[in-house]
Amino acid sequence: GDSVTQMEGPVTLSEEAFLTINCTYTATGYPSLFWYVQYPGEGLQLLLKATKADDKGSNKGFEATYRKETTSFHLEKGSVQVSDSAVYFCALSPLTGGFKTIFGAGTRLFVKA
Amino acid sequence: NAGVTQTPKFRVLKTGQSMTLLCAQDMNHEYMYWYRQDPGMGLRLIHYSVGEGTTAKGEVPDGYNVSRLKKQNFLLGLESAAPSQTSVYFCASSYLSPGVAYNEQFFGPGTRLTVL
Repeated sequence: GDSVTQMEGPVTLSEEAFLTINCTYTATGYPSLFWYVQYPGEGLQLLLKATKADDKGSNKGFEATYRKETTSFHLEKGSVQVSDSAVYFCALSPLTGGFKTIFGAGTRLFVKA
Repeated sequence: NAGVTQTPKFRVLKTGQSMTLLCAQDMNHEYMYWYRQDPGMGLRLIHYSVGEGTTAKGEVPDGYNVSRLKKQNFLLGLESAAPSQTSVYFCASSYLSPGVAYNEQFFGPGTRLTVL
């Protein structure tokens, strides 16, 4: 079945460091891919998305590129801030049954001042 | 717009007690979902609904029941709570527009449930 695997955390970085959170997926066809972010005490919110191969999603300085050949959707940010401390979830929405979303386990990010 | 709201925010139950979690959305979304979030396991789908009056089982439905009597509300019930149901519960909603290939979900703030 469809699945999402993302790197285990926590990830601890200093402010202004470069961030990469790895995400790979298993799915039939071309699913839509997402990164959601969960700030402390809140629900998840969509950070960025990509709906077809080679698409790049971006938002708030974060980027991720849909790589069909490596079935990956790694999240990157060039310079993290303390306010980026949160849990990040990679997710996919299958091509069929598109109203369902499959989430990875989440990666917690701590950014130190 | 309030978006997706959940009540209560926190609850402590004893084993065997029952309770209902309420989710409400004011975005006129067709689809609604209940997830549980446990450490190291991400979000797991409990039940979902594709429209008023319809419900379906997700990945981990055992021990839970749901109802969608009104489009804007989605209720999650625990008939006889067990310690294994200690978790954070999230409700979400979404819509699908013709020609749109993806499905963004909008989440509530969560309910933290402890079963002793």
